[in-house]
Amino acid sequence: SQQGEEDPQALSIQEGENATMNCSYKTSINNLQWYRQNSGRGLVHLILIRSNEREKHSGRLRVTLDTSKKSSSLLITASRAADTASYFCATVPGYSSASKIIFGSGTRLSIRP
Amino acid sequence: GAGVSQSPSNKVTEKGKDVELRCDPISGHTALYWYRQSLGQGLEFLIYFQGNSAPDKSGLPSDRFSAERTGGSVSTLTIQRTQQEDSAVYLCASSLGVGGEAFFGQGTRLTVV
Repeated sequence: SQQGEEDPQALSIQEGENATMNCSYKTSINNLQWYRQNSGRGLVHLILIRSNEREKHSGRLRVTLDTSKKSSSLLITASRAADTASYFCATVPGYSSASKIIFGSGTRLSIRP
Repeated sequence: GAGVSQSPSNKVTEKGKDVELRCDPISGHTALYWYRQSLGQGLEFLIYFQGNSAPDKSGLPSDRFSAERTGGSVSTLTIQRTQQEDSAVYLCASSLGVGGEAFFGQGTRLTVV
């Protein structure tokens, strides 16, 4: 079963603009992670935010987490053509980190040159 | 190896045949996950291992699916009597501990004809 739902399902923006993707989930979590997938094969881990954290940065990426709303957002600033990919949020449900990782349905991001 | 390795990368099989998919995780990673992804869809959780034990196999679609892990390393996902609906990309990932940053292999694309 899907735990996370990303919004929007697809996003097309101009190169240089910022891209924001949102994720909502249903149960309590230990942590939430964002991944990128190119060409429908292996995923690459981008960032992990723990349930007691509210914001995290990594390069051009900024992730926020609101556990009261059970939602997270991923912001990519100054987008580049190479950012074109599918982005997935993933949650580790429960209070312990010793649990499966459940992925959402993903957002397809296209960067127009 | 340097990353997660999956074999074969592509497999075409006839309906009714059994298939075995192999995953070599990153050395030292105790957690190993199997997912299935249909075209344009999110990742469907199948099973995860902590060491050689499978605490959660709730995602296995039917009793035709089984998985094992030996020596805390290599894992095999077996699908018996394959059906056309089994066609998908099967992704394996490993992490140092359960629920942490996961590293993915490139997947096995299974086509049942």
